[in-house]
Amino acid sequence: QSVLTQPPSVSGTPGQRVTISCTGSMSNIGAPYDLHWYRQLPGEAPKLLIDGDNNRPSGVPERFSASKSDTSASLAITGLQAADEAVYYCQSYDRSLDAFVFGDGTTLTVL
Amino acid sequence: EVQMVQTGAEVREAGESLKISCQTSGYSFREYWIGWVRQLPGKGLEWLGLIFPGDSDTRYNPSFQGHVTISADMSTNAVYLQWSRLEASDTANYYCVRLRRNTYDFMWGSFLYWGQGTLVTV
Repeated sequence: QSVLTQPPSVSGTPGQRVTISCTGSMSNIGAPYDLHWYRQLPGEAPKLLIDGDNNRPSGVPERFSASKSDTSASLAITGLQAADEAVYYCQSYDRSLDAFVFGDGTTLTVL
Repeated sequence: EVQMVQTGAEVREAGESLKISCQTSGYSFREYWIGWVRQLPGKGLEWLGLIFPGDSDTRYNPSFQGHVTISADMSTNAVYLQWSRLEASDTANYYCVRLRRNTYDFMWGSFLYWGQGTLVTV
């Protein structure tokens, strides 16, 4: 069980807006260390989606956005597409554990 | 273009040693923290550690310290992950990762570049 808590799964229909939450503590997100989001497609390495400065690497569409408040964060995906089906992870640093930490991942299903 | 190419899949017996590598290119190797993240079969991501090749400063996840060794070779721009005694619980996919920014304050960092992964089966 990670110190960053994500819902195991979320779902939505094409075109819909969905959000994925990531809840931490004063030891990580609230420290405040930056919170980053990754997406992992089946059989592939994870890819950075949005970093703590809300920067999207080249090729990541503006449909993906992130926000952070106190000890929690969220990833929003608008205009949901079938290709968005993946596992999404949040990541930060935890000063109590003295380690980078990842959430357990959220599986997004497009219905 | 930044590239990170890892060793192919490895199979070992418990108790054996192993060293896997990640060959990098396309950036100044000495200036960026680089390290390893593992993924147990069907599970999430765990950070093992980072090394700053410029001065060999190495930081480990306390959960893995003493069980793995991370090293870097500036002559070949490669980073390595090594075990002296593998355990069955080490079976996982191991990714080399590089931080997005060349800042020494790694704790705020994100992992922009990932290798393709090396499956280690013990």
